[in-house]
Amino acid sequence: EVQLVESGGGLVKPGGSLRLSCEASGFSFFNYVLAWVRQAPGKGLEWVSSISSSSASTYYADSVRGRFTISRDTAKKSLFLQMNSLRAEDTAVYYCVRSPGWSFDYWGQGTLVTVSS
Amino acid sequence: EIVLTQSPVTLSLSPGERATLSCRASQSVSNAFLAWYQHKPGQVPRLLISATSTRATAIPARFSGSGSGTDFTLTISSLEPEDSALYYCQQYGYSPSPMYTFGQGSKVEVK
Repeated sequence: EVQLVESGGGLVKPGGSLRLSCEASGFSFFNYVLAWVRQAPGKGLEWVSSISSSSASTYYADSVRGRFTISRDTAKKSLFLQMNSLRAEDTAVYYCVRSPGWSFDYWGQGTLVTVSS
Repeated sequence: EIVLTQSPVTLSLSPGERATLSCRASQSVSNAFLAWYQHKPGQVPRLLISATSTRATAIPARFSGSGSGTDFTLTISSLEPEDSALYYCQQYGYSPSPMYTFGQGSKVEVK
């Protein structure tokens, strides 16, 4: 069974940093693109960042480029999102997702990030 | 950047009726790159359709996708009460680097 389990969310002040983690199991970790998708309160889904299976390529939404860094550790079967210079508009549930190609077929339960003073 | 516009915003129908949801793209999208998701309150989004018309694992046959170019459709042939949810379309493209874009969502209420 494919499982994606996020952790690391919480309350942080504007300008602060947070690191999200996602532990994967039940599939060949090294064969898939992984990504983060978020949903702000009362808003729709927004793709945040993706990383290729080899970690050679990383991509970011314009709204987070230069502030967020995505990475993965094959040995630990984990995905990470380092979030710096956080803003109120980054408040959202962050989902770790698996991508078999051009869509997202498995989603974690999500972790809530709240940016507030 | 390709913008996806979904309509209607809200659709209220009775069990057994047919629901037709539209997703219009601001530029042409490859059929391979268009997907649909279902999102119920308190649950995780679920992939329904990939590559415009391929149902994901365990998705009932009443869900179908179609379209091409800039106009895509998700059809629920005979609504069940559990189909009440938000539905999102999503595309994969380049602008200029790879990126994914979601529509704003359509809410389906089955009463």
